[in-house]
Amino acid sequence: ETGVTQSPTHLIKTRGQQVTLRCSSQSGHNTVSWYQQALGQGPQFIFQYYREEENGRGNFPPRFSGLQFPNYSSELNVNALELDDSALYLCASSLTGNNEKLFFGSGTQLSVL
Amino acid sequence: SQQGEEDPQALSIQEGENATMNCSYKTSINNLQWYRQNSGRGLVHLILIRSNEREKHSGRLRVTLDTSKKSSSLLITASRAADTASYFCATHREGNTPLVFGKGTRLSVIA
Repeated sequence: ETGVTQSPTHLIKTRGQQVTLRCSSQSGHNTVSWYQQALGQGPQFIFQYYREEENGRGNFPPRFSGLQFPNYSSELNVNALELDDSALYLCASSLTGNNEKLFFGSGTQLSVL
Repeated sequence: SQQGEEDPQALSIQEGENATMNCSYKTSINNLQWYRQNSGRGLVHLILIRSNEREKHSGRLRVTLDTSKKSSSLLITASRAADTASYFCATHREGNTPLVFGKGTRLSVIA
């Protein structure tokens, strides 16, 4: 167990809807990264938050947005869901923004119908 | 985009045998990390090797890094059925740049 918790574990949405995924980081960690993992693929970097500020973003459209709160927990919001958004969404926390060791949650499995 | 490419994509071995997975990457790096994932769940950090290191050990794991060839290998010795999982290499370039993962190797250890 890493101490990183994600909710919900599973979610089913229809195309066009909006979704919010949540992540509580490991105690003492001020950095949270979000990844999207399609079936059979490696995790793809969405963005990272460090002390409540976005600290890097991958090749994802603006309808993917996020927040980090003062307690370092985080949210990932996806608007106007598309079928290709179906994936496992992973949150990872780290002690600092240098990404030397990420602690992952168990993920949220999102299905878009 | 994915920086690392693991090879092979899938590997099946008998319990007690050694498993070797390779990773190639494209750009210069600060460090390279290996992670393990069981059945589509969260990833678990296994080991980190820095660009100025050539070999590192942790228990039954041995990692090598060849920066001239931009490649790394992960060796799991005396494999167990519980080692069955997907293994990913991830590269870190510098500073606050993100960790970039490869597509992974699916390892099956048959008892």
